[in-house]
Amino acid sequence: GQQLNQSPQSMFIQEGEDVSMNCTSSSIFNTWLWYKQDPGEGPVLLIALYKAGELTSNGRLTAQFGITRKDSFLNISASIPSDVGIYFCAGLNTGTASKLTFGTGTRLQVTL
Amino acid sequence: DAGVIQSPRHEVTEMGQEVTLRCKPISGHDYLFWYRQTMMRGLELLIYFNNNVPIDDSGMPEDRFSAKMPNASFSTLKIQPSEPRDSAVYFCASSFGVPYGYTFGSGTRLTVV
Repeated sequence: GQQLNQSPQSMFIQEGEDVSMNCTSSSIFNTWLWYKQDPGEGPVLLIALYKAGELTSNGRLTAQFGITRKDSFLNISASIPSDVGIYFCAGLNTGTASKLTFGTGTRLQVTL
Repeated sequence: DAGVIQSPRHEVTEMGQEVTLRCKPISGHDYLFWYRQTMMRGLELLIYFNNNVPIDDSGMPEDRFSAKMPNASFSTLKIQPSEPRDSAVYFCASSFGVPYGYTFGSGTRLTVV
């Protein structure tokens, strides 16, 4: 099935650094979601975006719904060790199909 | 709220055997999804239900895979016969109205030897 392209694929950063990752699609979505997956667990919803241009924060996390509706961005400020995991974007078009299309994931490693 | 509950957490079975994975969605959620996760293919949607009715099973890889949702609080994903290439983590997720995002279970790690 279709997948969204995320970049970077993996990141190694030091504790305290800021992180940026993005997600791009050839298709337009009207909802963008960001999930985090810890080892051995299922993905957990972090942020949901419903309008082009929308900027939403959840603690140290900030996500944006791209103006073109074909991309989204996630920033993490002042990273901490528990930020380690895989971050997935997901797109949804509620008008045509009630199913999420997931990105390929960005693996984040945080060193002390 | 206990969240989405999947069982078993781990399953090791021999090729050719039948495997049944179970899921209890969050009470009140009207959508249920089955996903498969592998390193090569990432998260793939297999099938989803709305109000216990299968809506889209286009992601089910073969006839060996089947899924049922006999009531609002229980769903199964069955593989018969299982093959080594079915080895993956299988996730169940549920949602109240799709735009609000899914809640995933902890997954079942299936190993077929």
